[in-house]
Amino acid sequence: GAGVSQSPSNKVTEKGKDVELRCDPISGHTALYWYRQSLGQGLEFLIYFQGNSAPDKSGLPSDRFSAERTGGSVSTLTIQRTQQEDSAVYLCASKQGGSPDNEQFFGPGTRLTVL
Amino acid sequence: GDSVTQTEGPVTLPERAALTLNCTYQSSYSTFLFWYVQYLNKEPELLLKSSENQETDSRGFQASPIKSDSSFHLEKPSVQLSDSAVYYCALSRAGKSTFGDGTTLTVKP
Repeated sequence: GAGVSQSPSNKVTEKGKDVELRCDPISGHTALYWYRQSLGQGLEFLIYFQGNSAPDKSGLPSDRFSAERTGGSVSTLTIQRTQQEDSAVYLCASKQGGSPDNEQFFGPGTRLTVL
Repeated sequence: GDSVTQTEGPVTLPERAALTLNCTYQSSYSTFLFWYVQYLNKEPELLLKSSENQETDSRGFQASPIKSDSSFHLEKPSVQLSDSAVYYCALSRAGKSTFGDGTTLTVKP
C-alpha cells in the first residue's frame, strides 16, 4: 500500500516568507508526527497528533511554527516569517493507533532552504 | 521527562567486525524500545523493536532490553558495507516517542 507522502520534496524560499509543508499519512493511521532534521543532526520532535485529541505541541521551537491536521488525515506544517536557521529536512511520520509498540513510518521529507 | 542516550559517533569499523551501539534510556513509565536506521539520503525506517524482556533479531542485528540498567544496546556479530548508516534508538510510551541523537556508522572495506 501507499506509504507516507510529503510535498513538496524541495522548497527554496526567501527569508521572511511563509511556507506550508504537507503530509499525507498512511490511510488509517491515527497518529501523526512532525520532526525536523538539520544537516548532520538527529531527529528533533516538533508536534504530535493523535486522533481527535489536542496535539502535543511541546517541540515547536517558536510561535512562527504551527501545524494542523484536518479530518484526522492530512497535516500541514506552517512556518511563518522563515529564517535561515529554519533550513532543514522536515520529516513526517505516521503510526497506527496510539499503542506505544507500533512503529512509526516516515515520509521522504521536505528539504527546506531559506535564502 | 523521557530521555535516550546513544553511543557518541561517528563509529568506523572494518567489514566483518563486531558491532555494539550503546543505548540507555530514562523513563518513569513502562516503555517500548526501538532501533531505527537511516541510510544516506533516505528517511528513517524501523530496524527492530522490542517490548521489555524480549530479544529481537532483524537483518542480523540483535537488541535485548536490560531493564536493570535501562539499556537496549544494538549488536551485530559481523557488519557489512551496506550497514553504513545512522542508527537511532528510541523509546515510546503512550503516543509520543523520544529519539536519541543518532550514531553514524561507517563500514570500510
